[in-house]
Amino acid sequence: DSGVTQTPKHLITATGQRVTLRCSPRSGDLSVYWYQQSLDQGLQFLIQYYNGEERAKGNILERFSAQQFPDLHSELNLSSLELGDSALYFCASSVALSGDQSQYFGPGTRLTVL
Amino acid sequence: EDQVTQSPEALRLQEGESSSLNCSYTVSGLRGLFWYRQDPGKGPEFLFTLYSAGEEKEKERLKATLTKKESFLHITAPKPEDSATYLCAVKDGANNLFFGTGTRLTVIP
Repeated sequence: DSGVTQTPKHLITATGQRVTLRCSPRSGDLSVYWYQQSLDQGLQFLIQYYNGEERAKGNILERFSAQQFPDLHSELNLSSLELGDSALYFCASSVALSGDQSQYFGPGTRLTVL
Repeated sequence: EDQVTQSPEALRLQEGESSSLNCSYTVSGLRGLFWYRQDPGKGPEFLFTLYSAGEEKEKERLKATLTKKESFLHITAPKPEDSATYLCAVKDGANNLFFGTGTRLTVIP
């Protein structure tokens, strides 16, 4: 158990809909990262927050957005969902901003778009 | 362009048969190279961080090494419970993290 929690575990929805994924980092970790993992693409970095502020952006679509709240939990919002958005979405956390520290991953949310 | 390539894609070993997994990388200003283990349907589990060429880290049957262009994950006398996908990731000078697609290891009893 990494100490990172994610909810929900599974999510099934339809194309065009909007969903919110939630992540609580390990106690004391200020950085939160979001990743998408699909079968054909491997693990893709989406976005990083540090202590409430966006700090790095990867391959995140404009339909996707995230935020980190004062209690440090984070939410990833996915809108206008397409079939290709079906994937595992992971949250990870680390202590520091720079992330030379290792990242600890949550169990993931499996999103299925029908 | 920063890139991470892992080989082989899949590896089947007999229990006790040692081998190595490869991670070759091209990155601007390496800030760290990370190895993770991932079981099916679960999040990656951190194994090692390596920072500079020549560095080595060990944990049980696993040993990670780093050169200027690649890293190896050596598995000595593997057991069936070592079966998993092993992911390599590199962090560049701008703190971007790039993952390889992994090596799927199967250890047969």
